Amino acid sequence: AQSVSQHNHHVILSEAASLELGCNYSYGGTVNLFWYVQYPGQHLQLLLKYFSGDPLVKGIKGFEAEFIKSKFSFNLRKPSVQWSDTAEYFCAVNIWSNTGKLIFGQGTTLQVKP
Amino acid sequence: DARVTQTPRHKVTEMGQEVTMRCQPILGHNTVFWYRQTMMQGLELLAYFRNRAPLDDSGMPKDRFSAEMPDATLATLKIQPSEPRDSAVYFCASGLPNPGETQYFGPGTRLLVL
Repeated sequence: AQSVSQHNHHVILSEAASLELGCNYSYGGTVNLFWYVQYPGQHLQLLLKYFSGDPLVKGIKGFEAEFIKSKFSFNLRKPSVQWSDTAEYFCAVNIWSNTGKLIFGQGTTLQVKP
Repeated sequence: DARVTQTPRHKVTEMGQEVTMRCQPILGHNTVFWYRQTMMQGLELLAYFRNRAPLDDSGMPKDRFSAEMPDATLATLKIQPSEPRDSAVYFCASGLPNPGETQYFGPGTRLLVL
């Protein structure tokens, strides 16, 4: 069965530190990849997504992610985190289909210390 | 600014009571998803609909959960009878079924079953 794995469950960083959150998926076909963010007490919002083209995707708030097909990975990065980036981050995969169904990873909680 | 709306935002009930959660998808979106979020299980897909028809409800406990779309502007998720283990945040999301389309999440219903 298809699955999404996020390696880091809880990450604690100081402000200005660099961030990289890992995401791997298990599916050999064409995929669309997403990162969603959930700020405390709020709903999930789209951070960025990969559909096709340039494997380096830039999203909102300075986030970016790189799709490496050979590694089945879609890691999320930010060069310098802020306290306001404290949130839970979810990686998700849409298998190339016409259902729009997403498979989510377990999520990574990021805590940024001021 | 189109948004997915959900009601109620919070619900506290006693075990055995019926709970109905409502979702209004973004106008024009014909795919609706119901998710449950808990600390232990993360985000789980319960069911999803396209053009008001259920496409997949395999993630939903059939004996007590039911999901419907009476019309294109309303999706409902019902639990009868509710149990303490149903305590969670229930999110509705809507989108279009095309590959790469973003799912837009509602604010969620935080359910506590005593």
